[in-house]
Amino acid sequence: GQNIDQPTEMTATEGAIVQINCTYQTSGFNGLFWYQQHAGEAPTFLSYNVLDGLEEKGRFSSFLSRSKGYSYLLLKELQMKDSASYLCASRDSNYQLIWGAGTKLIIKP
Amino acid sequence: KAGVTQTPRYLIKTRGQQVTLSCSPISGHRSVSWYQQTPGQGLQFLFEYFSETQRNKGNFPGRFSGRQFSNSRSEMNVSTLELGDSALYLCASTRTGLTGELFFGEGSRLTVL
Repeated sequence: GQNIDQPTEMTATEGAIVQINCTYQTSGFNGLFWYQQHAGEAPTFLSYNVLDGLEEKGRFSSFLSRSKGYSYLLLKELQMKDSASYLCASRDSNYQLIWGAGTKLIIKP
Repeated sequence: KAGVTQTPRYLIKTRGQQVTLSCSPISGHRSVSWYQQTPGQGLQFLFEYFSETQRNKGNFPGRFSGRQFSNSRSEMNVSTLELGDSALYLCASTRTGLTGELFFGEGSRLTVL
């Protein structure tokens, strides 16, 4: 079957680093995406990984291990505005996205 | 350029009624997909349209339907509303649907009483 798991909620401190994990089981895996969604707003694209390894984009990095069915999103130098839900989604061979339930990240001063 | 526009933003219906939601994609985007979002469930894929044809469909009952017009605008309809249909309905567009970056609208929040 198809399944995505990520923690429901995480708390971190402003200025610190946090890693949000995502595990997936996807038939015909064809890429892993991370989106950010602030409360009451639309999700916005953060990153895309299709090959193993780390993709860095400023304070945000995303990692993929296809053999382990595992990805993480790393957020550095946390800011209060990073408080949001982070959605992990895998894409299958039909180009359909399977979404995790999202990880609510709470940043404390 | 203008983003994805969804209307209405909020609506309240009663059980048994039907509802139609509208989505205008970003200019030049021909793929429109629809999602249902409920707390703790994540985004559930409803369907995707490309050039007026339904290309993919999720596991929702036949009460959920959609269509796309020649200008790429899309509508989704839910008939015989149930309490469990209360959710945020999100529309997303991409140029072809074969890339990952979806551009989402703000959503239509449906409450069924």
